[in-house]
Amino acid sequence: DTAVSQTPKYLVTQMGNDKSIKCEQNLGHDTMYWYKQDSKKFLKIMFSYNNKELIINETVPNRFSPKSPDKAHLNLHINSLELGDSAVYFCASGLAGVADTQYFGPGTRLTVL
Amino acid sequence: DAKTTQPPSMDCAEGRAANLPCNHSTISGNEYVYWYRQIHSQGPQYIIHGLKNNETNEMASLIITEDRKSSTLILPHATLRDTAVYYCIVRVNNQGGKLIFGQGTELSVKP
Repeated sequence: DTAVSQTPKYLVTQMGNDKSIKCEQNLGHDTMYWYKQDSKKFLKIMFSYNNKELIINETVPNRFSPKSPDKAHLNLHINSLELGDSAVYFCASGLAGVADTQYFGPGTRLTVL
Repeated sequence: DAKTTQPPSMDCAEGRAANLPCNHSTISGNEYVYWYRQIHSQGPQYIIHGLKNNETNEMASLIITEDRKSSTLILPHATLRDTAVYYCIVRVNNQGGKLIFGQGTELSVKP
């Protein structure tokens, strides 16, 4: 049983296109996150949702729009893709408390040509 | 910004203990220390976390100094599969639970 799953695993697309990445967790957590890992391997938080409400938005361009239809899902839609959006995107889930563990998905490698 | 500093890389012989240090001199009283690792672009994997007491689980041990300004992750018998980037993270309060990753330590376990 996969705890945090993402689809697709790989995504190759042209500049200017719109694409979505889906994330699902079956851990019963109330908080989900999107992280971005750039080409220099630096991992950075993008968004966090708690009970379907946005609680963290780390000054990400508004071309990125997360959507949480329910507590178990957090999707990431990206409009007008740019070359600089090429990265690995990781979804994670957990509880928002400082003592609570966060679990990561396998990642989606996005390549913008 | 990450509240931790780690050496960029370390080597360890297979079968020996790997001791990975982390400095977090500005940690606050109720902030936890977390360790994650990332094996070759897989998703970060949770290892262990602690507040002030030493902790042990099936993967590793975490030793936190009494003043909490530094900690050490110990992999007791490193294997080749433990080769990864290890991240020490101080989980900050009231920030929605986000993890702030630094550069981590790239551990190479050698035969």
